[in-house]
Amino acid sequence: AQSVAQPEDQVNVAEGNPLTVKCTYSVSGNPYLFWYVQYPNRGLQFLLKYITGDNLVKGSYGFEAEFNKSQTSFHLKKPSALVSDSALYFCAVRARDTGRRALTFGSGTRLQVQP
Amino acid sequence: DVKVTQSSRYLVKRTGEKVFLECVQDMDHENMFWYRQDPGLGLRLIYFSYDVKMKEKGDIPEGYSVSREKKERFSLILESASTNQTSMYLCASSSTGVGNYGYTFGSGTRLTVV
Repeated sequence: AQSVAQPEDQVNVAEGNPLTVKCTYSVSGNPYLFWYVQYPNRGLQFLLKYITGDNLVKGSYGFEAEFNKSQTSFHLKKPSALVSDSALYFCAVRARDTGRRALTFGSGTRLQVQP
Repeated sequence: DVKVTQSSRYLVKRTGEKVFLECVQDMDHENMFWYRQDPGLGLRLIYFSYDVKMKEKGDIPEGYSVSREKKERFSLILESASTNQTSMYLCASSSTGVGNYGYTFGSGTRLTVV
């Protein structure tokens, strides 16, 4: 079985400061990893993905994430937060080589960026 | 602009009703998915389909069924709606192409069962 843990329900950060949203995963074999963002009353929007190759992945809106195989983590980061980054963030995983084609999502982390 | 369209944004139904949630994608994607989203629980997979007339149960299929008669359309059916099925329902699609695997989501249907 595959699973994702997002240990923080909410992350608060001041505008202009760096932000980190944490994600750890469990999967058989090698993973595909994703981050999605959800704005109020909307569906989820794709931010970035790790498929293979470079452990540092760059995505939309200045976000990046680092794949760490030994720690089974895929934390989302941004060097300088904006108020408009305030939203709900989801990490997701699926196994690369086995099992079903569906993503398993974490419980979500709400990011609040204060002006 | 590629799209996944869910037929209703808000829906109110009575307990015991049969409810149909419709999802259409225009990207010729092979895979389609239904999730429900609840606060603190994230997204949980109900059913998915990787081809026309094919379906697989997800993590919480009880009380639901699905239909995929055409590649672009994936319907979620609540056979007899109950109050514990009040939730946000999200449809998504994806391609099986190498290097892809990401989802495109619809805007969601917020279902209230009274």
